[in-house]
Amino acid sequence: DAGVIQSPRHEVTEMGQEVTLRCKPISGHNSLFWYRQTMMRGLELLIYFNNNVPIDDSGMPEDRFSAKMPNASFSTLKIQPSEPRDSAVYFCASRQNLQETQYFGPGTRLLVL
Amino acid sequence: QQQVKQSPQSLIVQKGGISIINCAYENTAFDYFPWYQQFPGKGPALLIAIRPDVSEKKEGRFTISFNKSAKQFSLHIMDSQPGDSATYFCAAQIIQGAQKLVFGQGTRLTINP
Repeated sequence: DAGVIQSPRHEVTEMGQEVTLRCKPISGHNSLFWYRQTMMRGLELLIYFNNNVPIDDSGMPEDRFSAKMPNASFSTLKIQPSEPRDSAVYFCASRQNLQETQYFGPGTRLLVL
Repeated sequence: QQQVKQSPQSLIVQKGGISIINCAYENTAFDYFPWYQQFPGKGPALLIAIRPDVSEKKEGRFTISFNKSAKQFSLHIMDSQPGDSATYFCAAQIIQGAQKLVFGQGTRLTINP
């Protein structure tokens, strides 16, 4: 298996632009997680899905952030409009139900100018 | 009550020494305690994990010590090597019901040759 796939790996955009991050979980995994990592705040859970349904979005910073999981093999995290303080590394992770281990993707490094 | 507190924030150890990272939690419902290892530019990856029914788990040079009464657990790296230089995250989870992982703030470990 190729593992969790994220795209793009790097994104540079200007303040006010829409940013869409993409994730393909490991085949057969039922849970999907979006995290944000910064030096100041560490690793923060933004939202997680189970069987394509959002279970907990309490970590989503504000209405500018939205996430979707239209099917078991694809998820997006959208920021609109983006702001410089959104600059971070965004990770997607997936997990199979009845298993404990989360498998992380390589991350998307986002820089908002 | 959902927090996991990790210390120290950074740690420098000489090659061959023992690296020790500590974590504490409040929620007694947590029943799974993993440690994740993250190298620069990569996503976190599971290193070793423990359930609260045992006090210690060892895998190679890596050992988790677990103190249920004190609500603390720690990672010990024996014979630390430069290749162990990475950021380490402790975490805690309630297994039942597809619960989320709660991560500590991370420890940046540097092993000097």
